[in-house]
Amino acid sequence: EAQVTQNPRYLITVTGKKLTVTCSQNMNHEYMSWYRQDPGLGLRQIYYSMNVEVTDKGDVPEGYKVSRKEKRNFPLILESPSPNQTSLYFCASSLELAGLRTGELFFGEGSRLTVL
Amino acid sequence: AQKITQTQPGMFVQEKEAVTLDCTYDTSDQSYGLFWYKQPSSGEMIFLIYQGSYDEQNATEGRYSLNFQKARKSANLVISASQLGDSAMYFCARDTGFQKLVFGTGTRLLVSP
Repeated sequence: EAQVTQNPRYLITVTGKKLTVTCSQNMNHEYMSWYRQDPGLGLRQIYYSMNVEVTDKGDVPEGYKVSRKEKRNFPLILESPSPNQTSLYFCASSLELAGLRTGELFFGEGSRLTVL
Repeated sequence: AQKITQTQPGMFVQEKEAVTLDCTYDTSDQSYGLFWYKQPSSGEMIFLIYQGSYDEQNATEGRYSLNFQKARKSANLVISASQLGDSAMYFCARDTGFQKLVFGTGTRLLVSP
């Protein structure tokens, strides 16, 4: 089954404790991205990657890091989480930019993160 | 600014009736795409429908249709024959050509029996 898998789905952590949210897709997609969803703000892009070793900032990259060492994986790293990073996070992938043009952006199920 | 505006924070509709969710957008691009996603209470994002700016006909997918008015920069979602399972948050989005979608703030739809 084609899917984007995120882990963990739920996490409560404390300020400053480094954490990683993993994202893996099994569709051989080139394009992957991370979004965060906050009430009243919709979804905002954090980082994206067009292929292995190619990453770039989205609209709200502060406080986050990413890496793309393998095509299937695109982890989101919070080096020193703060309460303002409490949010619902989505990983998404598509075959290529053309896929984005036809709506073929596949989302993971979301990871709800709470930073105390 | 690449802004998407959804002016209806919440909408109510009775089962089997049609409902229109509004979406307007800013752009100076000639070529772009518009999307609608559904987010049920379980949280996942479900792709509903896509409209390309050069598509001459409004997109339709089953009970979903997109009322695209290019001159007005609007891309309203029409759900016909609403069902209880349509109760969810709905997001309008457009691509920016910079590898991302820009989303609106969403409209929460509640379908009553």
